[in-house]
Amino acid sequence: AQSVTQLDSQVPVFEEAPVELRCNYSSSVSVYLFWYVQYPNQGLQLLLKYLSGSTLVESINGFEAEFNKSQTSFHLRKPSVHISDTAEYFCAVIFSGGYNKLIFGAGTRLAVHP
Amino acid sequence: EAGVAQSPRYKIIEKRQSVAFWCNPISGHATLYWYQQILGQGPKLLIQFQNNGVVDDSQLPKDRFSAERLKGVDSTLKIQPAKLEDSAVYLCASSLLSSGSSTDTQYFGPGTRLTVL
Repeated sequence: AQSVTQLDSQVPVFEEAPVELRCNYSSSVSVYLFWYVQYPNQGLQLLLKYLSGSTLVESINGFEAEFNKSQTSFHLRKPSVHISDTAEYFCAVIFSGGYNKLIFGAGTRLAVHP
Repeated sequence: EAGVAQSPRYKIIEKRQSVAFWCNPISGHATLYWYQQILGQGPKLLIQFQNNGVVDDSQLPKDRFSAERLKGVDSTLKIQPAKLEDSAVYLCASSLLSSGSSTDTQYFGPGTRLTVL
């Protein structure tokens, strides 16, 4: 069965500390991988995506994610977080042949404390 | 460029009542999606339109939910009658290409928060 799992529902972290948000998927076909972010009272915004090529992808605000095919993972990392990074982060997958159908994980709430 | 617009932003109804949500996608976007996001869960696709045709409605509870996209632009999602378990945020998204490319970015609206009492 095709599924997406975000292992942590909440991640508390202090400002300027590193963070990793974990995402694993289950699939027998090739995948396209996405991270979306949802700030309080706002809609979902695309943070970064892996479609092909380099397995390490970066966002404009310092986040990066690495596609690991053997581990079926797409973990999101940032070396130093800011208060403004507090938000809900969703991992999402399009399974090959899925006609642009996003399958989302349950989300991880990142809470950055001063 | 204007984003995806949705209205209303909030709606409270009694169970067994009906409700409708409206979505206006980004201009020129051929594909429109409706998602349901229950508290504590990720969004789940309810229905996907390409222009004014349905591409995927496999997870739409068709006994109570209906959606249309007349003229291939705006869309409405209706629930009739509503149940308690329909309480959720209803998200609309749109993407540019009409070819259904899996690499096509989806842009989301702010959502409509529905509470069924």
